[in-house]
Amino acid sequence: EPEVTQTPSHQVTQMGQEVILRCVPISNHLYFYWYRQILGQKVEFLVSFYNNEISEKSEIFDDQFSVERPDGSNFTLKIRSTKLEDSAMYFCASRPGGRNIQYFGAGTRLSVL
Amino acid sequence: ELKVEQNPLFLSMQEGKNYTIYCNYSTTSDRLYWYRQDPGKSLESLFVLLSNGAVKQEGRLMASLDTKARLSTLHITAAVHDLSATYFCAVGPGNFGNEKLTFGTGTRLTIIP
Repeated sequence: EPEVTQTPSHQVTQMGQEVILRCVPISNHLYFYWYRQILGQKVEFLVSFYNNEISEKSEIFDDQFSVERPDGSNFTLKIRSTKLEDSAMYFCASRPGGRNIQYFGAGTRLSVL
Repeated sequence: ELKVEQNPLFLSMQEGKNYTIYCNYSTTSDRLYWYRQDPGKSLESLFVLLSNGAVKQEGRLMASLDTKARLSTLHITAAVHDLSATYFCAVGPGNFGNEKLTFGTGTRLTIIP
């Protein structure tokens, strides 16, 4: 069964460093999302992406964040200058056109030291 | 701002018992999703409820939606140990295109043998 793939599974970085989290959505899906979950808290929406542009973003998704779909298969989330409070599990999700269900990847645990 | 509340936050129950998790949300929406999350794992889609009065069942789990009361329930029948997980409800905004999900706080369910 097709699945959303995220790499790496765990990323450790120093505060102020740039990180790129990678996702390969399911191949025929059209809508892409990033969510994050701080340890022990609920899942929060960051950004949605459709037709090669951001369709919606949350207040969390400030100028330090960016997304890109560079080659038609990968979907990346970049954090330019990480802060301690960016430590969280980041989930990528994708959805086909015409169906409501979002399929989530296994997540990348980001630890900012 | 859409708010989604679940209760209880923690639930410890014995095998064989029945229980219900409640999900209340604050604005009009007719798209309600239930996800399961095992520790350190991704979010697995359980149910999608798309209209008032919708009821879906899978094994020992049954979900229902009352859009007038802005309430969804997840009922567990004769619980077994492998249902132990965290269960999240999530609400879609009614805008089919973006379908940003707003998640509840989650209910951590522990089934005791």
